[in-house]
Amino acid sequence: DAKTTQPPSMDCAEGRAANLPCNHSTISGNEYVYWYRQIHSQGPQYIIHGLKNNETNEMASLIITEDRKSSTLILPHATLRDTAVYYCIVRVAGNEKLTFGTGTRLTIIP
Amino acid sequence: KAGVTQTPRYLIKTRGQQVTLSCSPISGHRSVSWYQQTPGQGLQFLFEYFSETQRNKGNFPGRFSGRQFSNSRSEMNVSTLELGDSALYLCASSPSSGRDTDTQYFGPGTRLTVL
Repeated sequence: DAKTTQPPSMDCAEGRAANLPCNHSTISGNEYVYWYRQIHSQGPQYIIHGLKNNETNEMASLIITEDRKSSTLILPHATLRDTAVYYCIVRVAGNEKLTFGTGTRLTIIP
Repeated sequence: KAGVTQTPRYLIKTRGQQVTLSCSPISGHRSVSWYQQTPGQGLQFLFEYFSETQRNKGNFPGRFSGRQFSNSRSEMNVSTLELGDSALYLCASSPSSGRDTDTQYFGPGTRLTVL
C-alpha cells in the first residue's frame, strides 16, 4: 500500500483557511487520494477524494500536485467543529480496504 | 437516507467470552467493511464482505470472524475475548466492492471493553 506522511498536529485560527498537507510519493497512477476526518471517538467522516484533478465539494477542496506525489486538503473557513484528526489515505485500486495512518490532529483556535 | 447503524453502541465483556456486533449498511449499499481502532494500533482493517462473501481480510487472528446476510447486514464475532480486544469497532458501507470512485461511509462504532 502506498504510504502517506502527514504532520502529527496543526493549529489554525477560527475563520481562517486550514491547509493540511499529505505526502504520498509512492502513489500509483490508478490510486485515488481520499481524506477522512474523525472527531473524538466518532466514526470517520468522508471529506473528499481525487485522482489527479483538483476537487471541491461543500466541505473542502483537494489540491493534488501534477506529479501526484503530494496533496493538500483545504478547509476554507475553519470553525471550532472542524477540530478533528484528519486522515489522508491512498486507496489501492479495486480494493475496499482503507489503510489509515496516524493522521494530523487539527485544532481550531478561537 | 439513514446512515450506517451499529448495535450495540457499548458493550462490556469478560475475558474468554465471545461477542457479536451488528452493522446495518446504508440502504442500497452492498459492501460492508469492518475496522478495529485502538490507541496503540490506530485504525486497522479487519475484513470486507460483499454479496455474502468475504472479499478481503486483514491481519487478525481467526478469533475474529464475520458474515453478511442477503439483505447486506453484517455481523462480526470475536471469540475467546482477550484484554487487548478492547477497542472501538467500526463498520463502513459502500455501494459496491472494488469500485474506486465509491465512497465508504462509517457508522458510529461499537465500543467494546473486555475486563
